Amino acid sequence: DQQVKQNSPSLSVQEGRISILNCDYTNSMFDYFLWYKKYPAEGPTFLISISSIKDKNEDGRFTVFLNKSAKHLSLHIVPSQPGDSAVYFCAASAGGGGADGLTFGKGTHLIIQP
Amino acid sequence: DAGITQSPRYKITETGRQVTLMCHQTWSHSYMFWYRQDLGHGLRLIYYSAAADITDKGEVPDGYVVSRSKTENFPLTLESATRSQTSVYFCASSSVRTNYGYTFGSGTRLTVV
Repeated sequence: DQQVKQNSPSLSVQEGRISILNCDYTNSMFDYFLWYKKYPAEGPTFLISISSIKDKNEDGRFTVFLNKSAKHLSLHIVPSQPGDSAVYFCAASAGGGGADGLTFGKGTHLIIQP
Repeated sequence: DAGITQSPRYKITETGRQVTLMCHQTWSHSYMFWYRQDLGHGLRLIYYSAAADITDKGEVPDGYVVSRSKTENFPLTLESATRSQTSVYFCASSSVRTNYGYTFGSGTRLTVV
């Protein structure tokens, strides 16, 4: 059973608009969440993270929101740029900050339209 | 060069053959991981290691063997390759200093025929 779910395989957004990528989780033990970005033929790169003691973390154009009661997190990208076109993976850790592995979702392919 | 490197980038092997995928990092990160990426499954953890000579199974360890005799190297061996092991394999490393944000290698695309 998938513990981290990204229900949208793809998302198309116009350049300059806001991109919102969603992620749901089922494991109540998850306490640390991360987003990774992946271009074709490259490894995923770390984008932003959030601890369960927070409900928001911001880094430039990227903001992650965490709703623990709903077991839901989202990544907002404002404004969206062509270079943001990539696959985005949501990941979670149950204690230890990922030292014993992260659980990843299946990914959402974000396409930024000019 | 500093970073995390995987070799080879591409590999074709026959069913039943043993194949080893290499992973080398230059940061002296304590933690290292092997993931496989398959369509419809995202990234799944195969094995991980907290330090030299300490390894643990992840979500999908069957058919794989790892070793970590040195901090910087974490090879993954498919003892007898099967077609179901056709995948893209990613190695990653992390440390407390990076707040456990993983750094991934560029991946090895393995095809078992």
